[in-house]
Amino acid sequence: ETGVTQTPRHLVMGMTNKKSLKCEQHLGHNAMYWYKQSAKKPLELMFVYNFKEQTENNSVPSRFSPECPNSSHLFLHLHTLQPEDSALYLCASSQVQGHEQYFGPGTRLTVT
Amino acid sequence: AQKVTQAQTEISVVEKEDVTLDCVYETRDTTYYLFWYKQPPSGELVFLIRRNSFDEQNEISGRYSWNFQKSTSSFNFTITASQVVDSAVYFCALSEAGTGFQKLVFGTGTRLLVSP
Repeated sequence: ETGVTQTPRHLVMGMTNKKSLKCEQHLGHNAMYWYKQSAKKPLELMFVYNFKEQTENNSVPSRFSPECPNSSHLFLHLHTLQPEDSALYLCASSQVQGHEQYFGPGTRLTVT
Repeated sequence: AQKVTQAQTEISVVEKEDVTLDCVYETRDTTYYLFWYKQPPSGELVFLIRRNSFDEQNEISGRYSWNFQKSTSSFNFTITASQVVDSAVYFCALSEAGTGFQKLVFGTGTRLLVSP
């Protein structure tokens, strides 16, 4: 157990749907991250939050909207996605500044 | 620009064989961290090791060992006496001082298959 949970584990949505991914960390960390893992591509950092403030947006399309209400919770709101957005979305947490990141099990997203 | 290369896409071994996973990195920063993660079929990335750029001492943890060589920009990972449970995708990653150490750049991963 890494102490980072993600729900749902699997999600199928149409291109016109709106859904949200949830991440919760129980490790007392103060930084949280969203990553995207597509087939045959390296893991890509999407967003970074430090102490609830967004510090990194890695040129992510606006159809992905993150929310971090506190240091333990992170959401990724999805709307009008494209089929190429189908991927494994991984959440991670860490202490800030160079410490190892601990990952959740991911949400397998399929956009139809 | 920072980059991590894992040239081995897939490696197949038989149980009890030793196997080395290669990782080569590029960075202009003099201060950086290197990581190895394991991703079993369940999907969750499991942290294995973190090494900073000033510590070239090799490390051993049970059947796992890591060889960090700044001269060749490599951070290789060896599993001794492999087991079926070692089957997974292994990722090498890099973070730099210039990005506050938070932007992990991953290699494309090496899939290790250990057969009985």
